[in-house]
Amino acid sequence: DVQLVESGGGVVRPGGSLRLSCAASGFNIANHGMNWVRQVPGKGLQWVSGIHWNGESTHYVDSVKGRFTISRDTAKNSLYLQMDSLRAEDTALYYCVRDYTYISFDIWGQGTMVTVSS
Amino acid sequence: QSALTQPASVSGSPGQSITISCAGTSSDIGSFNYVSWYQQHPGKVPKLLIYDVSNRPPGVSFRFSGSKSGITASLTISGLQAEDEADYYCSSYTTSRTGVFGGGTKVTVL
Repeated sequence: DVQLVESGGGVVRPGGSLRLSCAASGFNIANHGMNWVRQVPGKGLQWVSGIHWNGESTHYVDSVKGRFTISRDTAKNSLYLQMDSLRAEDTALYYCVRDYTYISFDIWGQGTMVTVSS
Repeated sequence: QSALTQPASVSGSPGQSITISCAGTSSDIGSFNYVSWYQQHPGKVPKLLIYDVSNRPPGVSFRFSGSKSGITASLTISGLQAEDEADYYCSSYTTSRTGVFGGGTKVTVL
């Protein structure tokens, strides 16, 4: 089965860091663009970051630029999101998603919750 | 990177057709045919309904169709069914090579 499983969420104080991981199975992430999308419970979706299928370009929403870093390890078939200088407004459920075409996501993980609170 | 604009809610009776609009700008919807639509039931993961403006992935009902005119995209649900009651989101690629979602539309089946 094609599947994405996120991990690494938790509770962190403002200014702290977390590293989210996403393990892919049933397909090779080296052949797909991969992204992170977040959702505050009860609110809408927000695209956060993406990495091109060739791994050579990465992109971020303005609000996380300079603080978040997306990366991948094709040997481990895994995607990551390093989140530094976390803010209360980063509190959300973070989904790992696979590109079907540009910014169309056909496979979604179940999400990992990040809570930034003092 | 402002969110795309969707109506907060749309409703219809079973069997009717409804249309959800998604307004963007010349920097997103107006520049590319990379508009997608998602359905999200409460407590569930979003599901891709439409990609590249009007294409359905395998397994998605023909009752869902998409279109675009200028800077506005639309999702039409034909033959509305009780199971269609959910939140719907549009998304688009942008000239900054980022993604942007709409704020979401709650569909109610009367």
